[in-house]
Amino acid sequence: GDSVTQMEGPVTLSEEAFLTINCTYTATGYPSLFWYVQYPGEGLQLLLKATKADDKGSNKGFEATYRKETTSFHLEKGSVQVSDSAVYFCALIHSGGYQKVTFGTGTKLQVIP
Amino acid sequence: GAVVSQHPSWVICKSGTSVKIECRSLDFQATTMFWYRQFPKQSLMLMATSNEGSKATYEQGVEKDKFLINHASLTLSTLTVTSAHPEDSSFYICSAPGGAEGLFFGEGSRLTVL
Repeated sequence: GDSVTQMEGPVTLSEEAFLTINCTYTATGYPSLFWYVQYPGEGLQLLLKATKADDKGSNKGFEATYRKETTSFHLEKGSVQVSDSAVYFCALIHSGGYQKVTFGTGTKLQVIP
Repeated sequence: GAVVSQHPSWVICKSGTSVKIECRSLDFQATTMFWYRQFPKQSLMLMATSNEGSKATYEQGVEKDKFLINHASLTLSTLTVTSAHPEDSSFYICSAPGGAEGLFFGEGSRLTVL
C-alpha cells in the first residue's frame, strides 16, 4: 500500500538557518503530493502542493519538488523564522480519492531566535 | 478561502460520559467530511468518512458504536464519543475535500477523559 516517510523530529534551527525536511513516498500510479503545516493549537493548513513529476510547489518561502525518480518531496526554506515553528506533514493523495490520503508522521520544527 | 471550523477546541469529561464534537464548513457545502484521530508524535489516522444524508463509513478497527458520526446537513458533521474512557483521550480533527487544495482541516478538538 501507499506510505509516506518523514524525517523524525524535532528539528531545532536558529533563525535564518536553512531548512530541509525530508519526505519520501511509496505509491502506485501518480499521486499528488502535499505539505501541510500545523501551528500550535490549530488544525492543518495546506502549505504547498505538486500534482505531477518535476512540479515545484512553493509558498511563503517554502519549496518542494516532486521527484519521481527518487520518490521524494523534500521541503526546503532558505531562511527560517521563529514564526515557522510548527509541525509539518507530508501527504500523498492518490487518484482513489480523499479517502486515500496518506500522511507522514509529521516533523516538528522549532526555530529559536 | 474555505474554512472548516470545529467546536469545542478542547473538552474535559468524566469517564463514562459522552462528548459531541461539531465540524462545520463555513462558506461551502460539504457532502463528505472526514474524521481523523491524532496520537502524540504520530500521524493522522482516518477514523471514518461522513456522508451527508447517509451512514458514515468507518475504517477497519474503529468502533462505530463508540464513535457515532452524523452528517445531517451539507455544512455540519458531528462526532460523538460515547461512554468515553481515558484511552479515548486524543486530538480529533475533521476535514472536507477542497478541490485542488486537497483537504480543508478544522482546528482540531482535544479530548481529555478523566
